[in-house]
Amino acid sequence: GESVGLHLPTLSVQEGDNSIINCAYSNSASDYFIWYKQESGKGPQFIIDIRSNMDKRQGQRVTVLLNKTVKHLSLQIAATQPGDSAVYFCAENKSSSYKLIFGSGTRLLVRP
Amino acid sequence: DTGVSQNPRHKITKRGQNVTFRCDPISEHNRLYWYRQTLGQGPEFLTYFQNEAQLEKSRLLSDRFSAERPKGSFSTLEIQRTEQGDSAMYLCASWRSGGLGNEQFFGPGTRLTVL
Repeated sequence: GESVGLHLPTLSVQEGDNSIINCAYSNSASDYFIWYKQESGKGPQFIIDIRSNMDKRQGQRVTVLLNKTVKHLSLQIAATQPGDSAVYFCAENKSSSYKLIFGSGTRLLVRP
Repeated sequence: DTGVSQNPRHKITKRGQNVTFRCDPISEHNRLYWYRQTLGQGPEFLTYFQNEAQLEKSRLLSDRFSAERPKGSFSTLEIQRTEQGDSAMYLCASWRSGGLGNEQFFGPGTRLTVL
């Protein structure tokens, strides 16, 4: 069946270091991927997205990489800050379907 | 603040009671989604509306669940005869079709606790 999963449940990094959060997906028909950030008590917040016709997309301090060959998605956060501490979810979507399929999340902890 | 609001933010109820949640999406967004999220898990799709039409429902949405969007603006999600397994965060999201992507803007959620 369809599934989106993450390799690491918790990632601890030093403030100022770069963070890499990974995600594996199983549905090769998915053509759109999103990273969301969720802080405690809040709804998911959009970070960055990428379509399947791209390998890389950059935002402000964030980069998403997509490797369709191995069905792998990653989120890179440069110069991680304490405000980046949250749970990060990847989600996938097919153009023919309007629902997002989320993974189980990775908690990012930023050490001062 | 994404512009999507949900009420109430928290709801505690006894097993067997009915509860209703409300979602007010971003005004120009014609698609509205409901998701359910349990602790430590990602949100799970429940249902979505295009304007007032409910176009898809997940098998997670049992007969005790019903959602409406009568005027294509706000939406309500009702759970009848609540069970302890219904305890979760219920998230609403909206999206404007015709945009560049499928970015969905989420509300803060309603946390339901069934005792």
